[in-house]
Order: sequence, then C-alpha cells, then structure tokens
Amino acid sequence: KAGVTQTPRYLIKTRGQQVTLSCSPISGHRSVSWYQQTPGQGLQFLFEYFSETQRNKGNFPGRFSGRQFSNSRSEMNVSTLELGDSALYLCASSLGTGENTIYFGEGSWLTVV
Amino acid sequence: QKEVEQDPGPLSVPEGAIVSLNCTYSNSAFQYFMWYRQYSRKGPELLMYTYSSGNKEDGRFTAQVDKSSKYISLFIRDSQPSDSATYLCAMSVRGANNLFFGTGTRLTVIP
Repeated sequence: KAGVTQTPRYLIKTRGQQVTLSCSPISGHRSVSWYQQTPGQGLQFLFEYFSETQRNKGNFPGRFSGRQFSNSRSEMNVSTLELGDSALYLCASSLGTGENTIYFGEGSWLTVV
Repeated sequence: QKEVEQDPGPLSVPEGAIVSLNCTYSNSAFQYFMWYRQYSRKGPELLMYTYSSGNKEDGRFTAQVDKSSKYISLFIRDSQPSDSATYLCAMSVRGANNLFFGTGTRLTVIP
C-alpha cells in the first residue's frame, strides 16, 4: 500500500513569489492535513481538508491556503513568500472518520531566499 | 504556556539501555495520544497510538498515558543505534484531526 506522497521534495523560491505543494494521501483516506515544521516553532497545524471542504484551520495568515480535489489529492499554496516561510511542509492523511491514525508524508522542503 | 511540553534533550544512551521519553500537556480535552519517530530530513513515522489512559505495548515500545496527571511516556527497551532519531509526542481531542505536537526529543543510541 503506497504511503503519503508529496511533491516536490525540495524547492527554492524568492521572496514575494508564490509556491504550490502537492499531496496524494493513502488510498482510501479522505482527510488531508498540512503542517509546517521549523526548528523554532516545531510542528504546527495549518489546515485540514475532508471531502473537498476545509474542516479545520490553524493560526496562520491568509497567505496560506489549500484545496482538495475529488480524488482526495490536496494542494497547498503560499503566496507572497517571506523568508520566515522557509520550512518543511508536511502532509498527513487519515480516514477522517474520528479514528485518529494519522500518517505523514516525507515533506516538501521550502527555502525562501 | 504551550499546550504540549516535551524535553528537547538531547538524550544519549548506550546500546541496550531502556529509554524513557515524556510529555506533559495542559488541555484536559486531549483523548488521543501518539508518538512519532522522525529521522533526519524525513517525515514523522507513527510509532504508537493510544486512546485515553492506559498502557500499550508493541515490540520494544511501550506507551503510557496518565490523564489524571496529564502525562504521557514512551519507553524503548533494548535500545538500538537505529533508534537514534527525534521522538515527537502528539495529541488531539476526540474527532479532530489537528494534532498538537511537543517540540521533540533527540535521541542518540551509542553502539
């Protein structure tokens, strides 16, 4: 059974640009969540999508957005990149039915220069 | 005060030692408790998942949850060099998929 797949794995962007990251959840999982991991703040929840609807949202500015498609694949977008957005962005998938076994992908390493 | 507190370490132990990792939390609504292992430049890997209070054992790993003290632990028996990684505790309220993480404890097992 394939795990959570994230693309791209590594990318470098310039301040002010935007970036889109992609996530394919485990087959059969309908919930996709996104997290930001930095050395200073650790792992922080960005948002969760379930059946194409945002179900929960963390405390991040509106520059961070996401969406989910009918096949449960998800994308997150960060607009007007800042240096502080440099981080590992992790996608997590689960069945989303209340049983909270949540599996993470390998992450996308974003560097903003 | 953070909702989940975890000693960042680092923690170094000799091979074969018993390792104890701990987290405390402040939100009494947390009911799901997890431990993840994260190797350098990799995503977190789910190790243990526990609902409410009690113990759970899986091979060399034992997870304990004491909701009355708001304290969770992970024990690793017969530690191996391959256990060297950062261990993250995580928890959530019932029915929610947003996890609250500790800062992680970096463990090194010395051969």
